[in-house]
Amino acid sequence: QVQLVQSGAEVKKPGASVKVSCKASGYTFTSYDINWVRQATGQGLEWMGWMNPNSGNTGYAQKFQGRVTMTRNTSISTAYMELSSLRSEDTAVYYCARGRSVRGGYYFDYWGQGTLVTVSS
Amino acid sequence: DIQMTQSPSSVSASVGDRVTITCRASQGISSWLAWYQQKPGKAPKLLIYAASSLQSGVPSRFSGSGSGTDFTLTISSLQPEDFATYYCQQANSFRWTFGQGTKVEIK
Repeated sequence: QVQLVQSGAEVKKPGASVKVSCKASGYTFTSYDINWVRQATGQGLEWMGWMNPNSGNTGYAQKFQGRVTMTRNTSISTAYMELSSLRSEDTAVYYCARGRSVRGGYYFDYWGQGTLVTVSS
Repeated sequence: DIQMTQSPSSVSASVGDRVTITCRASQGISSWLAWYQQKPGKAPKLLIYAASSLQSGVPSRFSGSGSGTDFTLTISSLQPEDFATYYCQQANSFRWTFGQGTKVEIK
């Protein structure tokens, strides 16, 4: 069965960087995009960006341009999301989600369990 | 970016009730819309894609409709496990966006 398993919770100081991993299993890793979505406590879902694991191509939400980097290691079917220059407003649960194109639309059909990133001095 | 607006923000309902949630896009998105369910402390789960197609394994009491800018999610007979927050997502235009969510609470 398809699974996305993320790395554990992180606590970072303002100005630092965090790198979250997302290990895929149960399907061919290079056949589907990996997206990252975050959710601050009590808030809604915010899409951060996308990566094609086959090509390594990426696309980021304008809000995160210059601060986020999405990479992958195909040999271990793992995607990574690194966010730099952290501030308190980045405290959130970060999810990876598999992206799938269906009849012209683009949907997130499987999600990781989430990784809590806390930014605090 | 396309803005998605859901209403209501929350709804109180009883088991067995019919519940309808609406989602409006700031511009036309054809039928490229998804609905997700999220329970506290859990990741979102895809319920419906392409506005009205049920994801595999999702109970048939969930249905979706709409096209263009206006969409609805209907739960025909609310079950205890359906109390959750529901999000719409536009699937039409890169830089995917979500609605702000609708919380379905027990009356």
